[in-house]
Amino acid sequence: NAGVTQTPKFQVLKTGQSMTLQCAQDMNHNSMYWYRQDPGMGLRLIYYSASEGTTDKGEVPNGYNVSRLNKREFSLRLESAAPSQTSVYFCASSPRGRDTDTQYFGPGTRLTVL
Amino acid sequence: AQSVAQPEDQVNVAEGNPLTVKCTYSVSGNPYLFWYVQYPNRGLQFLLKYITGDNLVKGSYGFEAEFNKSQTSFHLKKPSALVSDSALYFCAVRDMKLYNFNKFYFGSGTKLNVKP
Repeated sequence: NAGVTQTPKFQVLKTGQSMTLQCAQDMNHNSMYWYRQDPGMGLRLIYYSASEGTTDKGEVPNGYNVSRLNKREFSLRLESAAPSQTSVYFCASSPRGRDTDTQYFGPGTRLTVL
Repeated sequence: AQSVAQPEDQVNVAEGNPLTVKCTYSVSGNPYLFWYVQYPNRGLQFLLKYITGDNLVKGSYGFEAEFNKSQTSFHLKKPSALVSDSALYFCAVRDMKLYNFNKFYFGSGTKLNVKP
């Protein structure tokens, strides 16, 4: 049981390049989330998916797109990377039922945009 | 709007002493409140949550948190700090509006330093 996995762990992009951050969970969770973490600002929600087939914007969605490919996978795409998107990106998931409030986080992807 | 504030960027405490990490919240309605811990180069780990009931909530690793409705606070506490408790701590609140129920708002984080 790997929990929430993210690839890659590190990435350096040039301004204008595109890339996709991958996230997968093996806990059969319904909801999945993408956050970015910046110094002094905590975590900010980019997008979330309450269930397979649905996605919704969070606090800071501009410059990002997401795909909930199936129940396990939730990817985050940067179409044209900008230096302001330099950050650590975390994927999280949460189940339904009694524990629906608890989020389980992946190890993060550290992205640098030059 | 839902939000949480962590007024201290850093808290320093000696090993064996009690620790408190502060959090205040602003929500409409009854709050769902959480504490998470982040060790270096790791993702966040759930510590505890308050949904309803007893104002003192017990969580993982000997941590507890006290919910105070009149002061809109949810401070994290531990009676006796360990060096291994040194980490970044985040307070979070769930959006209580029905159409936003999957949104969570995190504080800016408090770095806890426990010195031997």
